[in-house]
Amino acid sequence: DAGVIQSPRHEVTEMGQEVTLRCKPISGHDYLFWYRQTMMRGLELLIYFNNNVPIDDSGMPEDRFSAKMPNASFSTLKIQPSEPRDSAVYFCASSSYGGTAFNQPQHFGDGTRLSIL
Amino acid sequence: LAKTTQPISMDSYEGQEVNITCSHNNIATNDYITWYQQFPSQGPRFIIQGYKTKVTNEVASLFIPADRKSSTLSLPRVSLSDTAVYYCLVGDMRVDSNYQLIWGAGTKLIIKP
Repeated sequence: DAGVIQSPRHEVTEMGQEVTLRCKPISGHDYLFWYRQTMMRGLELLIYFNNNVPIDDSGMPEDRFSAKMPNASFSTLKIQPSEPRDSAVYFCASSSYGGTAFNQPQHFGDGTRLSIL
Repeated sequence: LAKTTQPISMDSYEGQEVNITCSHNNIATNDYITWYQQFPSQGPRFIIQGYKTKVTNEVASLFIPADRKSSTLSLPRVSLSDTAVYYCLVGDMRVDSNYQLIWGAGTKLIIKP
């Protein structure tokens, strides 16, 4: 049973470049979450989707960040242009429905470690 | 604004029981309390979830008092492989009636031989 799959695992790029992170959620899950993790700020929820529709993007730090979910099996998080302060580990997670978005366990991928030089 | 508070770090020894407490002063009525474990270079992994009183599964127990303003994760007879960061998570209703997730800052648990 495949879990949440993220790619790439590591990304190193120069400031100003476009970065695209990819996520394949667990089949049948209704919710998909994008997180950012840093030492300073811990785990931050950036955006979450329900049935491919963005529900809350209030955690997206600024307009340089965008996320899409064109179908139930794929989502992207894009940063354009990237800046050194975007360096972090980005996680994707998915869950099934349980009354609210948050009352079912989330299943996380292993993350993308992003370094912006 | 809701907030979760948990100890930054804890040490214990193999074979001991470890209890990690998280305070969450403004949990929403319908929301559950969930605990996750994270190893280096991996995403958080679900451990246990509860609403009130006590929940037990094959790896941990979760104790939640009646007021639900805190929860305690109990790990029985820990081993070296339990060394990890442990997060508590609660949902909270925001003033605009949307929900938000409140993650604790994580407790780094170190198990010694």
